[in-house]
Amino acid sequence: GQQLNQSPQSMFIQEGEDVSMNCTSSSIFNTWLWYKQDPGEGPVLLIALYKAGELTSNGRLTAQFGITRKDSFLNISASIPSDVGIYFCAGQLRAGGTSYGKLTFGQGTILTVHP
Amino acid sequence: DVKVTQSSRYLVKRTGEKVFLECVQDMDHENMFWYRQDPGLGLRLIYFSYDVKMKEKGDIPEGYSVSREKKERFSLILESASTNQTSMYLCASRGQGAGNTIYFGEGSWLTVV
Repeated sequence: GQQLNQSPQSMFIQEGEDVSMNCTSSSIFNTWLWYKQDPGEGPVLLIALYKAGELTSNGRLTAQFGITRKDSFLNISASIPSDVGIYFCAGQLRAGGTSYGKLTFGQGTILTVHP
Repeated sequence: DVKVTQSSRYLVKRTGEKVFLECVQDMDHENMFWYRQDPGLGLRLIYFSYDVKMKEKGDIPEGYSVSREKKERFSLILESASTNQTSMYLCASRGQGAGNTIYFGEGSWLTVV
């Protein structure tokens, strides 16, 4: 199955720094999703994007759905220690005539924040 | 809030054993999924189900089977566990409708020795 190209694979930053990560695909998606996974837990949805060009914020998080529909980025401002975890992007196509849209995940970005 | 519960958080099984991973969701979702997560590979879809007794292969179904006898429960079965099936397994569910997103359980860590 196809996977998205997510970068960077890992980041080591100081508390207070801003963070940026992105995903690119050779395919067009109708929806982009960003998930965070805390150590030992399942992924939790952070932001969902449904329209090309859409820019959405959730607290210190901002994500954008690329105009080409083939990419998305996630920014975290003023990072704090609890931002530590793995961040996944996921692209979703809405299957015609059905409610199931297959999710394709990126490889994940491991974020470490030093106090 | 959606709750997706995986019955076992940590399992250690021997090669050749039959393994059952159980998943229950409490939101009456039609769609349920099993993924495995491995470092550097992200999440890969094993099987999914869009209705009771219905199942479809995902990207990596080999070595696995599934069962969906009730709407709220989706089981992943390893008929004969092998060491390359050591992984984190994630169950997820999703309601009907194009705008609905997937919700994940906490994960089951399986080690096959």
